[in-house]
Amino acid sequence: RKEVEQDPGPFNVPEGATVAFNCTYSNSASQSFFWYRQDCRKEPKLLMSVYSSGNEDGRFTAQLNRASQYISLLIRDSKLSDSATYLCVVRPGAGSYQLTFGKGTKLSVIP
Amino acid sequence: NAGVTQTPKFRILKIGQSMTLQCTQDMNHNYMYWYRQDPGMGLKLIYYSVGAGITDKGEVPNGYNVSRSTTEDFPLRLELAAPSQTSVYFCASSSRLGTSGRSQGETQYFGPGTRLLVL
Repeated sequence: RKEVEQDPGPFNVPEGATVAFNCTYSNSASQSFFWYRQDCRKEPKLLMSVYSSGNEDGRFTAQLNRASQYISLLIRDSKLSDSATYLCVVRPGAGSYQLTFGKGTKLSVIP
Repeated sequence: NAGVTQTPKFRILKIGQSMTLQCTQDMNHNYMYWYRQDPGMGLKLIYYSVGAGITDKGEVPNGYNVSRSTTEDFPLRLELAAPSQTSVYFCASSSRLGTSGRSQGETQYFGPGTRLLVL
């Protein structure tokens, strides 16, 4: 089983739609979880951290399910500017310096 | 703050040539990282550093070397370029590691990348 798995997509959704991405991770000792956004030919940028209790930032909601080892990202009221690749990122354990990146899920928001 | 800067933006190398990818950050971060990203693949950690004078191997270190003489700079050296090293290279930095719970300060900030083509 790959360390961090994501559906590569692409997800093609109309403006205003709600879209959800899931990500699974294999290391049950993983400590920290993030969603990064990467625009075409650009560097990754942190979208949001994912907390055990779930967290929301405007139109974005992240959830963590430790028992099932998956993370989700929900985007409401999609905008054209949300078109990007969304990377699921996991820190394997406390004190680990390494982040494990998923391959990303591509989202295209269509007018 | 310029954040994390990388030079060059793009480079073509011949097999067997060497080069140094430069990375500088002005955020006074202790932790710095080098990643490579191949098309359709996740980022892979090449080397990282937890402070000046301290470096360690990541997941894919073969064919690369690093040094960290100052807090700001973390150059990546390719000694004998091979076609397998064709990739996009990203440098990143962070202020500290999270331990558990909330991960403030753990965010990695990436540079704009260097696209390397080895022919």
